[in-house]
Amino acid sequence: QPALTQPASVSGSPGQSITISCTGTSSDIGTYNYVSWYQQYPGKAPKLLIYDVTKRPSGVSNRFSASKSGNTASLTISGLQAEDEADYYCCSYAPGRTPWVFGGGTKVTVL
Amino acid sequence: EVHLVESGGGLVQPGGSLTLSCAASGFSFSTSWMHWVRQVPGMGLVWVSRINGDGTTTTYADSVKGRFTISRDNAKSMLFLQMTGLRVEDTAVYFCSRVENEFDFWGQGTLVTVSS
Repeated sequence: QPALTQPASVSGSPGQSITISCTGTSSDIGTYNYVSWYQQYPGKAPKLLIYDVTKRPSGVSNRFSASKSGNTASLTISGLQAEDEADYYCCSYAPGRTPWVFGGGTKVTVL
Repeated sequence: EVHLVESGGGLVQPGGSLTLSCAASGFSFSTSWMHWVRQVPGMGLVWVSRINGDGTTTTYADSVKGRFTISRDNAKSMLFLQMTGLRVEDTAVYFCSRVENEFDFWGQGTLVTVSS
């Protein structure tokens, strides 16, 4: 059972915006601002999309944005494109347990 | 440019051993925390182990504690994961990753299959 809870799938039409939630606890997301998001295509390595809750690494499209409220983090993809069809994982620092925990992943489908 | 390249995966019988390697380049390896993360095909990412820059601090997931050993050779910019007492449930793709406060660079992964 993944430590962080994500919806198994989210879908949207091209141009729409979608949001993926990631629910943890006060021992991880609720306390620490080390929340990150990753994009993974089948058979490929994960790629860092967001770090420190809201920051984008250089080269990541500004169509990706993120936030946190309480024990839940969220990733929003704006202007959905066919190339956004992938799996997305959230991650949080969780020093009380294993130091890092991941969500179960969300499959994004572009209709 | 940062490169992480894993190797050493393969087919092993239950109870067997395997050592994974990760060759690093393009960053200051000796000052970087390095981690192993695994992924059962079709499933999610699971954190496995970490080691600090000088190799003096290591941490393991409960599921591998006592069976896996993480180590590094800073002179060669290499990270290792020695796996013993392998179980069917250890079957996964194993990724090495550099971690600051996020997993910013990943290798392509190496597949470990535990099966009789």
